[in-house]
Amino acid sequence: GQNIDQPTEMTATEGAIVQINCTYQTSGFNGLFWYQQHAGEAPTFLSYNVLDGLEEKGRFSSFLSRSKGYSYLLLKELQMKDSASYLCAVRDPGDYKLSFGAGTTVTVRA
Amino acid sequence: DVKVTQSSRYLVKRTGEKVFLECVQDMDHENMFWYRQDPGLGLRLIYFSYDVKMKEKGDIPEGYSVSREKKERFSLILESASTNQTSMYLCASSFTDRGKQYFGPGTRLTVT
Repeated sequence: GQNIDQPTEMTATEGAIVQINCTYQTSGFNGLFWYQQHAGEAPTFLSYNVLDGLEEKGRFSSFLSRSKGYSYLLLKELQMKDSASYLCAVRDPGDYKLSFGAGTTVTVRA
Repeated sequence: DVKVTQSSRYLVKRTGEKVFLECVQDMDHENMFWYRQDPGLGLRLIYFSYDVKMKEKGDIPEGYSVSREKKERFSLILESASTNQTSMYLCASSFTDRGKQYFGPGTRLTVT
């Protein structure tokens, strides 16, 4: 199994940058996913990292260090619509399953 | 676009009732999953299926069963609903070799 930790809540101002950290402990690893979930809605895919380094997609970037069991999601130029929960999930090798962290609720203030 | 649909958005049932939650996906995905989501606990896997008529227990299968008679449909069954099964239930599907899961809109179940 996986043990996945991420902060419970973060607050930031519109236009600012926020970094959401995720640490994991596992006997194996086959990729890390970030999902966004607005209140009352389904999670939607944001990013996927399987190799070390930074993946950039517009305002959102995700970083992975496999040796440290660490990832972060960077949200730039924050907008009010970015207020949501962000879920970190890890995939075991040879497994169909994802193990999810408890999620980080980001609140963007004007 | 991948579409995963769930039979109900909101459901209210009484303790002891048998409850069926249905999930359908239209992308020919091999894998389908049922999760429940509770505040502070995140998404917890109840059951998953990697093929028709195949099922595997997840982390919290007690009190639940599943059925997958057709590739596109995965049902979650609460044989005798209890108040501690009040939760948000999310269905997801994926291809085996890609891992990325697509989620349905969720069913908020209240057991009274």
